[in-house]
Parts: sequence; C-alpha cells; structure tokens
Amino acid sequence: VQLLQSGAEVKKPGASVNVSCKASGYRFTGYYVHWVRLAPGQGLEWMGWINPNSGVTKYAQKFQGGVTMTRDTSSDSVYMEMTSLTSDDTAFYYCARERRVVAGQPFDLWGQGTPVTVSS
Amino acid sequence: DIPMTQSPSSLSASVGDRVTFTCRAGQAISTYLNWYQQKPGKAPKLLIYAASSLQSGVPSRFSGSGSGTDFTLTISGLQPEDFATYFCQQTYSSFTFGQGTRLEIK
Repeated sequence: VQLLQSGAEVKKPGASVNVSCKASGYRFTGYYVHWVRLAPGQGLEWMGWINPNSGVTKYAQKFQGGVTMTRDTSSDSVYMEMTSLTSDDTAFYYCARERRVVAGQPFDLWGQGTPVTVSS
Repeated sequence: DIPMTQSPSSLSASVGDRVTFTCRAGQAISTYLNWYQQKPGKAPKLLIYAASSLQSGVPSRFSGSGSGTDFTLTISGLQPEDFATYFCQQTYSSFTFGQGTRLEIK
C-alpha cells in the first residue's frame, strides 16, 4: 500500500509545475487524496483535496485559482498543477489519503514527497 | 481557518525519558485532532487520530489526550527512532496543522 509521487522539479518564477501521485495496493476510488506542502521553516499547509471517485475538488482559499487537482482512474493517479510559481512556492509537496467515511478523518498514508524549487 | 499552536517549538530529551507535547486549537474542535511524526526527508506518519486513538502499528509508548482546545501527545520511554518532528492537525473544520515540535537528542 503506497502513494508514489513524481520526482524533484526545478522551475523558474512564473512557470507551472505538475506533480503526480500514483496509488497502489488499495481501492483508489475509496479514499480522498489531499495535497499538503511543507516550505522551509514553515509548518504543514493543506492545499486541497480531490475525490478520485467523482473528480470533485475542494481547495484552500489561498490556492483557489492557482492550483488544479485532477485524477486518472485508469492509472490510479492524481495530479496537482500549480501555475504562476514564485519563490514562496519552494517546498516539499505531499499527497496523502483520507478514508472519507464521514468528514474529519485523518490522513493515514502519505506519499514520499516531491521537492519543488522555484528559482531564477 | 482554525489556528493550531504547538509548544514548545523544540525539545531536548534523552533515551528513556517521558516527553509531552502540547497543541492548542484556536476554537473548540471536539476530538478532531491528529498527531503525526516526520523524520527528515520522509513523509509524515500518522501516530494518533481522534485525539487519543493509536494508529495501527504504532508503538504503545505513544499516547494522546485532550478535547476541546487543549491536547497532548506523550511518549513514555523515548527510543532512538523517536527523535523527529511532531505535528498536530485539526480536521474539525477544513484542515490546519500546527507548526511542529522538533524533538532532539540531549
């Protein structure tokens, strides 16, 4: 059972990045997938979730308009695209699953993280 | 968003010690509080959910308590592999995390 994320990214300011997260070992459509980031010297920051079953998404207000989460049920993968990158977006990006039987569940499995560096 | 405040920001302890971390929510969150452990370069790992329930596979030296706004994570008998950063998370309303407590070897 794992979430396997794509590799490190280095981007210039203003560019976009797309990070993937591939699920294995469990029923992909049975769990929401969240994206969380950890910037240097900061705490964990929740970005949003996607319901892999329906494709419905919910984003933190801070990321609305700048982040898009999608899924591909044929490959059990979810994707997080972030546009108009700035140096403040330099961080580790994690996907994590939540078994949404009812709201408010913990994130019981996390991907290994994808470092994204934004630098000119 | 509900702010989550962890204290202390860092803590030094020795193997065998009992340590306690504190997490305070900006408003009452019932028991919608989880604790995670993160080691450098690794993904966070769920330790405690719903304030006091031990995640499967997590050693029983970890325990959690609290409800409302004040929560604690206790490690009874520190082991070398426990030196890491610990985050709390509320899932009562959306999702927010504390800034983390770094546990260092004394």
